[in-house]
Amino acid sequence: NAGVMQNPRHLVRRRGQEARLRCSPMKGHSHVYWYRQLPEEGLKFMVYLQKENIIDESGMPKERFSAEFPKEGPSILRIQQVVRGDSAAYFCASSPTLGQNTEAFFGQGTRLTVV
Amino acid sequence: AQRVTQPEKLLSVFKGAPVELKCNYSYSGSPELFWYVQYSRQRLQLLLRHISRESIKGFTADLNKGETSFHLKKPFAQEEDSAMYYCALKVPGAQKLVFGQGTRLTINP
Repeated sequence: NAGVMQNPRHLVRRRGQEARLRCSPMKGHSHVYWYRQLPEEGLKFMVYLQKENIIDESGMPKERFSAEFPKEGPSILRIQQVVRGDSAAYFCASSPTLGQNTEAFFGQGTRLTVV
Repeated sequence: AQRVTQPEKLLSVFKGAPVELKCNYSYSGSPELFWYVQYSRQRLQLLLRHISRESIKGFTADLNKGETSFHLKKPFAQEEDSAMYYCALKVPGAQKLVFGQGTRLTINP
């Protein structure tokens, strides 16, 4: 099992462009979580998805950000019209089921730089 | 809202010395508490959780509900313990983790 795979590892976008971040969960995992880490800060929850459903998007900015986890393929975090403040590390995590002992496994992250 | 505070951004100790990484949280109920570690160039990984009550790599952490703390301790630090450590909280019934800002631990030879 290769673990949670995120790509690209590094992404540079000019202001106003779109950024697409991909996350392939571990095999057998149907729950995906996205977190953002701004410079000098801890990880902040953005969104929790199950296959084809958004369960909790309480941490998502109201505009320009969207996430999906289709039936087939990776989860996608999309940021439209990027601004400098979107520069951050974006981490994806996955877990197999829910429950008290469920562990979330993290990917290596995508570092987005907006120039 | 729930909050996790790690007061030390940087912590440096000598090899063989005791280590304590502080973590305080604010939540009125009974949360799940975790410590995650990120070694250089590696992904974030779970180190331990309070419900397991186990020692991993010599580290232990005790949940103190009275002080709302979950400090991470190790009696004798090793150079390979150098890493970024994050304390995290999960509210019962919710799936998201609330992270502290992290503490960068450096073990000097």
